[in-house]
Amino acid sequence: GQSLEQPSEVTAVEGAIVQINCTYQTSGFYGLSWYQQHDGGAPTFLSYNALDGLEETGRFSSFLSRSDSYGYLLLQELQMKDSASYFCAVTSNYGQNFVFGPGTRLSVLP
Amino acid sequence: DAGVTQSPTHLIKTRGQQVTLRCSPKSGHDTVSWYQQALGQGPQFIFQYYEEEERQRGNFPDRFSGHQFPNYSSELNVNALLLGDSALYLCASSLTAGSSYNEQFFGPGTRLTVL
Repeated sequence: GQSLEQPSEVTAVEGAIVQINCTYQTSGFYGLSWYQQHDGGAPTFLSYNALDGLEETGRFSSFLSRSDSYGYLLLQELQMKDSASYFCAVTSNYGQNFVFGPGTRLSVLP
Repeated sequence: DAGVTQSPTHLIKTRGQQVTLRCSPKSGHDTVSWYQQALGQGPQFIFQYYEEEERQRGNFPDRFSGHQFPNYSSELNVNALLLGDSALYLCASSLTAGSSYNEQFFGPGTRLTVL
């Protein structure tokens, strides 16, 4: 089967840096994506890693280690608006199948 | 450029009834995926449609079926509704041709309540 694990909650203060980890077990791994979802909203795409290493997009960076079946999302210079749930998602079968993790609820405090 | 749209936004049904949810993909996208998201959980993949055919399916019973039309819009049908089908149903569109990672764009969802 396929499964992903993420911490359920993370709390940090404005301006800080936070790392959200994701470990996965899956067959036919193709890539790891990250999505942000505010309460009552739809998930929005943040980043994608198909190869090992770090991908940087503004304040957000994502890392993947395929050999360790592990990735993380790094959020820098935290802002109040970053308070949301963050999901990692494994893509398999050449992008035809997505499995989402349980989500990490990030609370940014003033 | 219109994003992904879904209708209706909210729906209330009773057990045993049938429901149809609709989705229009982002302009230029040819692939539609459907997800079920229970409160406080991550989206669960139901199935994906491409070229009017179901290309991949998650672990959902046959009560869940779908369709994709020539204009790439899609419907999700659920028969014999159960209380446990109450959830937010999300539609996501993407572009298959030439994509290396299939970034998905999600619609606002349909909140289904089964009484």
